[in-house]
Amino acid sequence: GEDVEQSLFLSVREGDSSVINCTYTDSSSTYLYWYKQEPGAGLQLLTYIFSNMDMKQDQRLTVLLNKKDKHLSLRIADTQTGDSAIYFCAESLSGYSTLTFGKGTMLLVSP
Amino acid sequence: EAQVTQNPRYLITVTGKKLTVTCSQNMNHEYMSWYRQDPGLGLRQIYYSMNVEVTDKGDVPEGYKVSRKEKRNFPLILESPSPNQTSLYFCASSPQGGKNIQYFGAGTRLSVL
Repeated sequence: GEDVEQSLFLSVREGDSSVINCTYTDSSSTYLYWYKQEPGAGLQLLTYIFSNMDMKQDQRLTVLLNKKDKHLSLRIADTQTGDSAIYFCAESLSGYSTLTFGKGTMLLVSP
Repeated sequence: EAQVTQNPRYLITVTGKKLTVTCSQNMNHEYMSWYRQDPGLGLRQIYYSMNVEVTDKGDVPEGYKVSRKEKRNFPLILESPSPNQTSLYFCASSPQGGKNIQYFGAGTRLSVL
């Protein structure tokens, strides 16, 4: 079945790079996503990557996808205190709207 | 503004007292879904709907009901709430097909005493 795994916690200093990792089990995944949840708020889409891509860059965000190892990562360059949040990895299968989410990684950025 | 609106945002109730959490989206999305978020368990899907009058169970449907009479609304009904349904609930919607990007409401924090 589908399963998405993430480490639960990451702590970095302001200005450093953050790398949040995710592994998934379903090789049929079509899209993979990163969502951000700030305290007291809903989930907000940060970025997504199509399964035939290896990398996607969007300003400070870089997504790397290794399909062979079923590994997805999110790199945040020059991490700021405002980046402190919970980050969720998610996958969807072709033709289905249902997403499978990981348990989330709490990122804590200290000054 | 495109959005998913949940009401209420906060609710404290007692065991057995029926309640409804409403969800409305203004993006004409076909797909809508309810999740609950619990510490250490992440997001778990309760029910989803692919379109009007089409609903299906997610991973944790016990104790919940839903209906989809109109495209924009997808209420979550707890007929007889119990303390184990104390949680943070999210509604989400997305257009069918394409990138399957889901848009989330701000959440409803429910406490059942």
